[in-house]
Amino acid sequence: GQQVMQIPQYQHVQEGEDFTTYCNSSTTLSNIQWYKQRPGGHPVFLIQLVKSGEVKKQKRLTFQFGEAKKNSSLHITATQTTDVGTYFCAGTRGTSYGKLTFGQGTILTVHP
Amino acid sequence: EPEVTQTPSHQVTQMGQEVILRCVPISNHLYFYWYRQILGQKVEFLVSFYNNEISEKSEIFDDQFSVERPDGSNFTLKIRSTKLEDSAMYFCASSDLLGSNEKLFFGSGTQLSVL
Repeated sequence: GQQVMQIPQYQHVQEGEDFTTYCNSSTTLSNIQWYKQRPGGHPVFLIQLVKSGEVKKQKRLTFQFGEAKKNSSLHITATQTTDVGTYFCAGTRGTSYGKLTFGQGTILTVHP
Repeated sequence: EPEVTQTPSHQVTQMGQEVILRCVPISNHLYFYWYRQILGQKVEFLVSFYNNEISEKSEIFDDQFSVERPDGSNFTLKIRSTKLEDSAMYFCASSDLLGSNEKLFFGSGTQLSVL
């Protein structure tokens, strides 16, 4: 079946440092979504990428979708303590919209 | 912002018992989902539901699981005879679109503990 791998599993940074998490799929994706889950919380939608090579920005967050539509990254510039949480990528394949295959997530801790 | 609501927030049950997890999706949404997350692990797709029938289901969603939309607002997940390994956080989600504009809204989850 489809596998979505995400690295690193954990990332500890000092406030102000940058952070990147990488997502890799074993198969070509129709689209990829990113979610943030605060400790004890539920996944909250951040963004969806659909096109090959697409780059989207949300303030300090930059999302990329690879040319082959098999990998993606999330980069946070100048982390803040409010960025703490687990960041998940989740892909869909074919027309199975809504059937998201999640990566394992990257747990980000930010030290003030 | 509109929310998906789930009840109860915690459910403790004995192995072999039936449980029903309840969800109220966002009112104008048409697509409904159940996902689960075992402690410390990734979120896993269980089932999608549209137009009063299951659209897709995963290998996890075996004969012990069923979903229902009994009225215009509720969406339920029933586990007929719970097993220890069913212990997890169960998230309901809904969306109003599919495809390139899809965005899933997740509820706060029901933590199911099977003893």
